[in-house]
Amino acid sequence: DVKVTQSSRYLVKRTGEKVFLECVQDMDHENMFWYRQDPGLGLRLIYFSYDVKMKEKGDIPEGYSVSREKKERFSLILESASTNQTSMYLCASRAGQGSETQYFGPGTRLLVL
Amino acid sequence: QKEVEQNSGPLSVPEGAIASLNCTYSDRGSQSFFWYRQYSGKSPELIMFIYSNGDKEDGRFTAQLNKASQYVSLLIRDSQPSDSATYLCAVGGTYKYIFGTGTRLKVLA
Repeated sequence: DVKVTQSSRYLVKRTGEKVFLECVQDMDHENMFWYRQDPGLGLRLIYFSYDVKMKEKGDIPEGYSVSREKKERFSLILESASTNQTSMYLCASRAGQGSETQYFGPGTRLLVL
Repeated sequence: QKEVEQNSGPLSVPEGAIASLNCTYSDRGSQSFFWYRQYSGKSPELIMFIYSNGDKEDGRFTAQLNKASQYVSLLIRDSQPSDSATYLCAVGGTYKYIFGTGTRLKVLA
């Protein structure tokens, strides 16, 4: 079974703090994704990566950055957290061409005070 | 902007009935289509994917795709209270999916 894990289930941070969310997958998938999910807005793509050290902006990259130094690990960074970044953050991974199924991690619920 | 549209619901059906969930998409070139189920507070889990026009069945679930009309649907037969969840439609691209906002399904015991 594909396993995608995220470093925290719940996180509380203060405005202005630097926040790291980590995601690890154990199936050697090439593609990894970070989404946020908010009521009424659905899943919105923040960033994705299709290879080590490669990254592409999604639909809402502002205020975020990412890092992928190893194939299995994809980190989302909030350089200076703000209250409007309070959300559920979901990581997902998918194998390369020919495999379309995207698997999600359990999610991190982030509260920025 | 490529879009995926779903009725937010809630869609209420009695236990044992057929639940029908619908999704329309705007990108005529889309090739892959997915249905995810998401329980409250949990992450989405894949139920089915479909690539070709027509029906695809898996147990109590049937996905239907009509590319000419640009819609995809999910039928749940013999609905159970445990099917109560939000169902997300997703349309796949080269790298990215585009998700609908989901339809909330309530199965009444």
